[in-house]
Amino acid sequence: SQTIHQWPATLVQPVGSPLSLECTVEGTSNPNLYWYRQAAGRGLQLLFYSVGIGQISSEVPQNLSASRPQDRQFILSSKKLLLSDSGFYLCAYRAPGSQPQHFGDGTRLSIL
Amino acid sequence: RKEVEQDPGPFNVPEGATVAFNCTYSNSASQSFFWYRQDCRKEPKLLMSVYSSGNEDGRFTAQLNRASQYISLLIRDSKLSDSATYLCVVNGKLGGTSYGKLTFGQGTILTVHP
Repeated sequence: SQTIHQWPATLVQPVGSPLSLECTVEGTSNPNLYWYRQAAGRGLQLLFYSVGIGQISSEVPQNLSASRPQDRQFILSSKKLLLSDSGFYLCAYRAPGSQPQHFGDGTRLSIL
Repeated sequence: RKEVEQDPGPFNVPEGATVAFNCTYSNSASQSFFWYRQDCRKEPKLLMSVYSSGNEDGRFTAQLNRASQYISLLIRDSKLSDSATYLCVVNGKLGGTSYGKLTFGQGTILTVHP
């Protein structure tokens, strides 16, 4: 069966510190992968998506970057966090030939 | 105009009630439609896909009207556990390729009370 793992579940970081969130998918090959952010009380905003290893598309200009070093691994990074980077970050995958996306448990990021 | 628009609610209904949510989308080239459910401080979970002919899954019925670019979700015999935010989701399309990108509505909040 297909599963998606995302960690950590919660993170508190000071302004200016680096960030690395990791997401892995099991049970499928060559998935499309996505990073979303959900600010408090707001909808999901697509940040990045990837259709293959090393292929990253950015949806909005921001302080974040993404990488896909392996087929089923997706990483969200920042060199220096801003207060505005606080939010609920969600990784999702779409299996080949399938339409719906399935989400990881999310990471709640607080910047102090 | 937003790509996907929903009535944010909140909808407060008693147990056993029937409640309907509506959603409109702006991209006439959209081909896939879904309803997701999101519990407080949790990730969205797929509730059901929406097919052109309409589809039902237990107490839940989804309808699609392509001409009006309108999607609906009907919940019958509401349970306390149905309390959540319901997200209308449409696949995006850029040129001839969608890359599976989805556009999420802001969500409709449902509270079912005893």
